[in-house]
Amino acid sequence: AQSVTQLDSQVPVFEEAPVELRCNYSSSVSVYLFWYVQYPNQGLQLLLKYLSGSTLVESINGFEAEFNKSQTSFHLRKPSVHISDTAEYFCAVRNPQGAQKLVFGQGTRLTINP
Amino acid sequence: GAVVSQHPSWVICKSGTSVKIECRSLDFQATTMFWYRQFPKQSLMLMATSNEGSKATYEQGVEKDKFLINHASLTLSTLTVTSAHPEDSSFYICSAISGTGAYEQYFGPGTRLTVT
Repeated sequence: AQSVTQLDSQVPVFEEAPVELRCNYSSSVSVYLFWYVQYPNQGLQLLLKYLSGSTLVESINGFEAEFNKSQTSFHLRKPSVHISDTAEYFCAVRNPQGAQKLVFGQGTRLTINP
Repeated sequence: GAVVSQHPSWVICKSGTSVKIECRSLDFQATTMFWYRQFPKQSLMLMATSNEGSKATYEQGVEKDKFLINHASLTLSTLTVTSAHPEDSSFYICSAISGTGAYEQYFGPGTRLTVT
């Protein structure tokens, strides 16, 4: 079984500041890793994913995440945030084999202050 | 592409009544659909997994007689909350994947259920 821990429930930052949202996972097998973003009153949107290959993955809107197997982490970073990045961010894992269900972390609410 | 819709987007019902929520994949065939429940300011909890033409697989602790799931076609799954009570009030989200090897789930916008 897999589990995901997002260490910060809320992260307030100023606009144009850098941000890191932390995600650690636990699994006895290899995993696929995902970051989803949820804007207010909307469903989840895939932000980026790690399946295999390069441990650094990037999204089209400037976010990046690095898979660190030894630390079982998949932290999300952005060097300069915008007001529009205000949202809830969920880290999720999935076993590449078997059932395709996702296990989500508790979520981190990112609030950007002007 | 890969759009999932849910209907209704919000619903208010009285305690004791049943309510049906639809989840549709608009531009792809969804071999598997998932139903999640999200409480305010909390994460998504998987309720059940449904495959077209077969019975849904419910997660531990989810009452299958209360949350009826039907995946009658490759583009439609429904969740019926039977004899709803105020504690069933929540945000219900579905997702869908296409193919057994697919890694990405496409999420619907969610349905907010309020039971009075």
